[in-house]
Amino acid sequence: DTAVSQTPKYLVTQMGNDKSIKCEQNLGHDTMYWYKQDSKKFLKIMFSYNNKELIINETVPNRFSPKSPDKAHLNLHINSLELGDSAVYFCASSQAEWLSPLHFGNGTRLTVT
Amino acid sequence: KQEVTQIPAALSVPEGENLVLNCSFTDSAIYNLQWFRQDPGKGLTSLLLIQSSQREQTSGRLNASLDKSSGRSTLYIAASQPGDSATYLCAVRQGAQKLVFGQGTRLTINP
Repeated sequence: DTAVSQTPKYLVTQMGNDKSIKCEQNLGHDTMYWYKQDSKKFLKIMFSYNNKELIINETVPNRFSPKSPDKAHLNLHINSLELGDSAVYFCASSQAEWLSPLHFGNGTRLTVT
Repeated sequence: KQEVTQIPAALSVPEGENLVLNCSFTDSAIYNLQWFRQDPGKGLTSLLLIQSSQREQTSGRLNASLDKSSGRSTLYIAASQPGDSATYLCAVRQGAQKLVFGQGTRLTINP
């Protein structure tokens, strides 16, 4: 019954590898997001998709590529991982209207060694 | 550029006390403000959403207020319980479906 689910929960990998994080929402929302929470617990938006179309790309390195096969899924692929990519990545969703609340997944803790 | 600040960064109080968490933002052109709680190793749980036209919202022991003109919001927790221990985050929503977060207040309720 999880509304926004992410996999995997933990991801440990070496520098230079390519990895993906998957996200699915069963709320029927039109908009999905990726947020990054750094070591100081600061949450910042990375991407926003509305009905599979990219709305926000917040100056994220192009090693990060989101992909939305349908409006219930938004995956995040990261190429050539770097140490600084270590963080917790959160997926979220909302209705398209700006007045609606965001619902977050439980996060994926990425550790790059 | 919108900046969201939460004070204090950490707060520890005995069980049963009423408490207030503060959130301030620099740009009053917001659509709404949302309060979340984050438990260790978990995602964010939405607590309250206040639209820019509203002054406050209540849910159980929680009450959130919004003063858009002064760029402030407060989250009031009545009769605190150990289960309220978590990090509380506020976030303001601006255009293009974007939330800007504060750094959070880490709340500890001591039994």
